[in-house]
Amino acid sequence: GDSVTQTEGQVALSEEDFLTIHCNYSASGYPTLFWYVQYPGEGPQLLFRASRDKEKGSSRGFEATYDKGTTSFHLRKASVQESDSAVYYCALSDPSGSWQLIFGSGTQLTVMP
Amino acid sequence: EAAVTQSPRNKVAVTGGKVTLSCNQTNNHNNMYWYRQDTGHGLRLIHYSYGAGSTEKGDIPDGYKASRPSQENFSLILELATPSQTSVYFCASGDAVGGADTQYFGPGTRLLVL
Repeated sequence: GDSVTQTEGQVALSEEDFLTIHCNYSASGYPTLFWYVQYPGEGPQLLFRASRDKEKGSSRGFEATYDKGTTSFHLRKASVQESDSAVYYCALSDPSGSWQLIFGSGTQLTVMP
Repeated sequence: EAAVTQSPRNKVAVTGGKVTLSCNQTNNHNNMYWYRQDTGHGLRLIHYSYGAGSTEKGDIPDGYKASRPSQENFSLILELATPSQTSVYFCASGDAVGGADTQYFGPGTRLLVL
């Protein structure tokens, strides 16, 4: 079945550091890919989505590029802030499968001032 | 902006009691979902619905029922609550646009079963 793998369970950075969170997926069809962010005590919020190969999604300084060749959708931000501390989830929706959201295990980002 | 609300936000229940968690969405989305989130397990799908009157089992439906009486409302029912159902529950609505289901989540309900 479809799956999403996030390599990093926890990431600790200092303010203004560069962020990369790795996301790789496996899907039978041509999925749409998502990044969600969850702040403490809140529900997950959509950061952005991408539906086609080489499409770049972006929001709030975060970005990721859909790469069908490497089946990846890595999240990047050039300069993180303390307010970016949260859990980040990569997810996919595959119309060839159940097309419900399949989530990765999440990455806890902690940014120190 | 998507609008999904949940009630109650916090609930304490006794073992064997009945618990109903409610969700309302004003997005006019056909799809609605119930998840639970536990440390070490991420988000797990309990039940979902494709529209009023429909409910489907997700990945972990045992011990839960769902009800979708209208487009806007989707309830999760624990007929006989157990301590293992202590968790944070999230409702979401999905727009099912462009061959994918972008989901918008509510703020969550924290349930403690004693």
